[in-house]
Amino acid sequence: ILNVEQSPQSLHVQEGDSTNFTCSFPSSNFYALHWYRWETAKSPEALFVMTLNGDEKKKGQISATLNTKEGYSYLYIKGSQPEDSATYLCASPNTGNQFYFGTGTSLTVIP
Amino acid sequence: DVKVTQSSRYLVKRTGEKVFLECVQDMDHENMFWYRQDPGLGLRLIYFSYDVKMKEKGDIPEGYSVSREKKERFSLILESASTNQTSMYLCASSLAGGGTQETQYFGPGTRLLVL
Repeated sequence: ILNVEQSPQSLHVQEGDSTNFTCSFPSSNFYALHWYRWETAKSPEALFVMTLNGDEKKKGQISATLNTKEGYSYLYIKGSQPEDSATYLCASPNTGNQFYFGTGTSLTVIP
Repeated sequence: DVKVTQSSRYLVKRTGEKVFLECVQDMDHENMFWYRQDPGLGLRLIYFSYDVKMKEKGDIPEGYSVSREKKERFSLILESASTNQTSMYLCASSLAGGGTQETQYFGPGTRLLVL
């Protein structure tokens, strides 16, 4: 079992604020890091798959970085909008492609 | 777009009942997964399947079984439901080829309440 942790557990930001949160994972035997967004009453939706140390990925106003040596990834949202409100999950697979998920960061963007 | 559907969004069952949760994917994915999600815990893997009629235990298989008779369908079975199986259940599927980089695509979840 891989211990994947996310922080903070929840946060509330004002519309237009930028925010970031963290996913920590074991740096040994690292294969990949997946980020998902899970809106209420919808399916979790894939955001990014990251594999290389120093990787940086971007989708619109959301970006993510990866540090495999120290075992963390940051997710950044620039200029948060109410529609960014969701739970953000990260997952790290083992060699058998079994995903281990963090508990998620619940983001609420206040209009 | 990949579509993963689950048979029910909400389900209420009595203790001791046999419960079937169905999952169907329409993208010819080899891999299928069943997770449960509980407050304060991450998604936890119950069972997964790499191919028709194949199944592997995840981290919390106790009290559950699965069936995969067709490639597109993966069923989770609670042989005798108990109150501690009240949870959100999510199904996912993925292609086999990309290994650990392969995205898992999720259904919307079934919220099960066992009374």
